[in-house]
Amino acid sequence: EAGVTQSPTHLIKTRGQQATLRCSPISGHTSVYWYQQALGLGLQFLLWYDEGEERNRGNFPPRFSGRQFPNYSSELNVNALELEDSALYLCASSLDRAAYEQYFGPGTRLTVT
Amino acid sequence: AQRVTQPEKLLSVFKGAPVELKCNYSYSGSPELFWYVQYSRQRLQLLLRHISRESIKGFTADLNKGETSFHLKKPFAQEEDSAMYYCALSGAAGGGNKLTFGTGTQLKVEL
Repeated sequence: EAGVTQSPTHLIKTRGQQATLRCSPISGHTSVYWYQQALGLGLQFLLWYDEGEERNRGNFPPRFSGRQFPNYSSELNVNALELEDSALYLCASSLDRAAYEQYFGPGTRLTVT
Repeated sequence: AQRVTQPEKLLSVFKGAPVELKCNYSYSGSPELFWYVQYSRQRLQLLLRHISRESIKGFTADLNKGETSFHLKKPFAQEEDSAMYYCALSGAAGGGNKLTFGTGTQLKVEL
């Protein structure tokens, strides 16, 4: 069974641009979570989507947004990129909104110059 | 607010020595506690969940609500245990099952 996949692996953008990151959950999973792993800050929760709806978001500005598609894949958009947005962005999926166990993807490394 | 503290950034032990990775948490309700592990060049993966009370790869972790701790232990370290370990908390009061992670402890097992 394929695990969580993320694309692209690496993304380089300049300040002020927009970045789009994509995630495909494990087949049959309906919940998708996004986390940011910035240097020195550890893993921080960004967004949670389940059944196409945003269910919860972390303490991040509105320029971090996303959506979940009918096939449960998800997209994270970061607008007006700032240098401090440089980080590893991890996507995780779980079976449904009640499931605690999350399965992580390999991440997308975003570099903002 | 929920918070997870891992006081050690790096823990270095010799092969065969006991290992204890510390984790303390702050949460007002009944949390779900987890240990995740990331081996070199691999993705983050679940190692242990407190509610299952399992021993995985020789590791155990007991939830101590009085001390608000969830330390990870192994009696005899193996070289293949070298990895980054993250303690994480999930709770309904936090809004869904989002995970709050500690900053991680790098375990290095030396020969």
